[in-house]
Amino acid sequence: SQQGEEDPQALSIQEGENATMNCSYKTSINNLQWYRQNSGRGLVHLILIRSNEREKHSGRLRVTLDTSKKSSSLLITASRAADTASYFCATTTSGTYKYIFGTGTRLKVLA
Amino acid sequence: SQTIHQWPATLVQPVGSPLSLECTVEGTSNPNLYWYRQAAGRGLQLLFYSVGIGQISSEVPQNLSASRPQDRQFILSSKKLLLSDSGFYLCAWSVVSDTQYFGPGTRLTVL
Repeated sequence: SQQGEEDPQALSIQEGENATMNCSYKTSINNLQWYRQNSGRGLVHLILIRSNEREKHSGRLRVTLDTSKKSSSLLITASRAADTASYFCATTTSGTYKYIFGTGTRLKVLA
Repeated sequence: SQTIHQWPATLVQPVGSPLSLECTVEGTSNPNLYWYRQAAGRGLQLLFYSVGIGQISSEVPQNLSASRPQDRQFILSSKKLLLSDSGFYLCAWSVVSDTQYFGPGTRLTVL
């Protein structure tokens, strides 16, 4: 069953602004990952953060993880029109091979 | 480098007809393989996963089945499609429980 929930469900910003989306989950995790999906395409992995990490950066992406609150956030700085996509978080749990995906945030960046 | 193939890209089938979707992975050995379904504008629902040849774990009871006849081949099947089987089907692979790599997806419409 889906255990991740993301908010907001949809976000519309101007090019150059920052975009923040949040993910909450319900059980202890091994790691948390963020993926991007362009319309009608497969998902592309963006970044992975392990349960013992609190923050991670990759280019214009910054991910934070708060295991006490069972939540994560993805920040995209200086957004571009090409960042328009849906963003999903996914969690894995020790002892299983399953990935549980969140409901996703649809980001629209206006040029 | 690793590559994942899915076919067909789109499929329109009548209710009650059979289904066979194929996924193959190149460039890695003994991957974990996954089938997901995504309804329009929604998150991913895990259908099946496999950690080895002939090993299939089913997540959702329904009229779909999966098989893994070879190490890097994963097949999703149905004997009789229902209207509710329409959706976007995604195959993915991973090694351990880190990054997942997704195929391009199959858009299935059942009429």
